[in-house]
Amino acid sequence: DADVTQTPRNRITKTGKRIMLECSQTKGHDRMYWYRQDPGLGLRLIYYSFDVKDINKGEISDGYSVSRQAQAKFSLSLESAIPNQTALYFCATSAGPHSFGYTFGSGTRLTVV
Amino acid sequence: QKEVEQNSGPLSVPEGAIASLNCTYSDRGSQSFFWYRQYSGKSPELIMSIYSNGDKEDGRFTAQLNKASQYVSLLIRDSQPSDSATYLCAVSAGGGADGLTFGKGTHLIIQP
Repeated sequence: DADVTQTPRNRITKTGKRIMLECSQTKGHDRMYWYRQDPGLGLRLIYYSFDVKDINKGEISDGYSVSRQAQAKFSLSLESAIPNQTALYFCATSAGPHSFGYTFGSGTRLTVV
Repeated sequence: QKEVEQNSGPLSVPEGAIASLNCTYSDRGSQSFFWYRQYSGKSPELIMSIYSNGDKEDGRFTAQLNKASQYVSLLIRDSQPSDSATYLCAVSAGGGADGLTFGKGTHLIIQP
């Protein structure tokens, strides 16, 4: 099994719908992150969490919310999806602060029509 | 705003040659530097990390860091077609803050 698992892998949803993307990890890492990737824009941080009680906004948090249900689970919600939220979404984990790299999940390709 | 700059490419290199990928960053306080490889539609995969000035070698890969010039590079020796991918440079936040800032990536093509 993958260390960082994202579900679903692909999703098509309609404008205005609420959708949740889920991430779970078996690495035992405290730090978890949600990124989106768009062609030409690279990876941009949406939200990050250092533990269950610590949630922080990234550079593009508007229109998104998150929930850290447990150390191993970190979910991203789009409250009312819009077409410009169409992107590839990645969850990542890290063992510690900046000296550690990230382990990424396999990604969720979201299309909002 | 912290920035990490990479040439988007594509960078085309003949098979067996050395591929040289470059990255500059704006945050002088950054202490940790990473190179990720990403195949189309797949997730980024960590291939190299470097924390001190100089070179770090791992197999066919060599990372080079010059903090004074705020410059990081990745050399791939004996390039193979399987090295064709987008390479992302990532830089840690300075001042003890958490998080990585990613460059937009360089698209590398190894020509057989």
